[in-house]
Amino acid sequence: DVKVTQSSRYLVKRTGEKVFLECVQDMDHENMFWYRQDPGLGLRLIYFSYDVKMKEKGDIPEGYSVSREKKERFSLILESASTNQTSMYLCASKDDGTVNEQYFGPGTRLTVT
Amino acid sequence: EDQVTQSPEALRLQEGESSSLNCSYTVSGLRGLFWYRQDPGKGPEFLFTLYSAGEEKEKERLKATLTKKESFLHITAPKPEDSATYLCAVQGGGSNYKLTFGKGTLLTVNP
Repeated sequence: DVKVTQSSRYLVKRTGEKVFLECVQDMDHENMFWYRQDPGLGLRLIYFSYDVKMKEKGDIPEGYSVSREKKERFSLILESASTNQTSMYLCASKDDGTVNEQYFGPGTRLTVT
Repeated sequence: EDQVTQSPEALRLQEGESSSLNCSYTVSGLRGLFWYRQDPGKGPEFLFTLYSAGEEKEKERLKATLTKKESFLHITAPKPEDSATYLCAVQGGGSNYKLTFGKGTLLTVNP
């Protein structure tokens, strides 16, 4: 079974703090994704990575950056957290190939006060 | 731009009462349609991938079907443990990576 883990289930940070969310997958997948999920808005793609050190912006990259130094690990960085970044953050991974399902981690509920 | 609309937003059933969830989509060149189940406070769990119109897939009490404009998730004789939000997503021809998700249907099955 594919396993995607995220470093924290719940996180509370203050406005202006730098926040790191970590994601690790154990299936040697080439592709990894960061989403946020908000009530009424559904899942929205923030960034994705198709290879080590490679990244592409998703639909809502503003205020976020990412890092992928190793194949199994994909980090989401909030440079200066703001209250509108309070959300559920979901990491996913996907095998290579044109059509493959994405496998999600358990999520990190981030609250910025 | 790919679009996915799920209906109804919420559905309440009695245990054993079969029903269907709908996922309507517009996409340029469908590569795949995906169904996920999401329990409260957890990440989505993959259920099915459908690739072309006419295709069907089954898993326990769930059956997913696909036409050129929509997909249905049929739930036969549901149990309370089937209560969850069901998400539909599409991958269009314009991307090898990007999924467009619907907002989901919240299913509640009462005992």
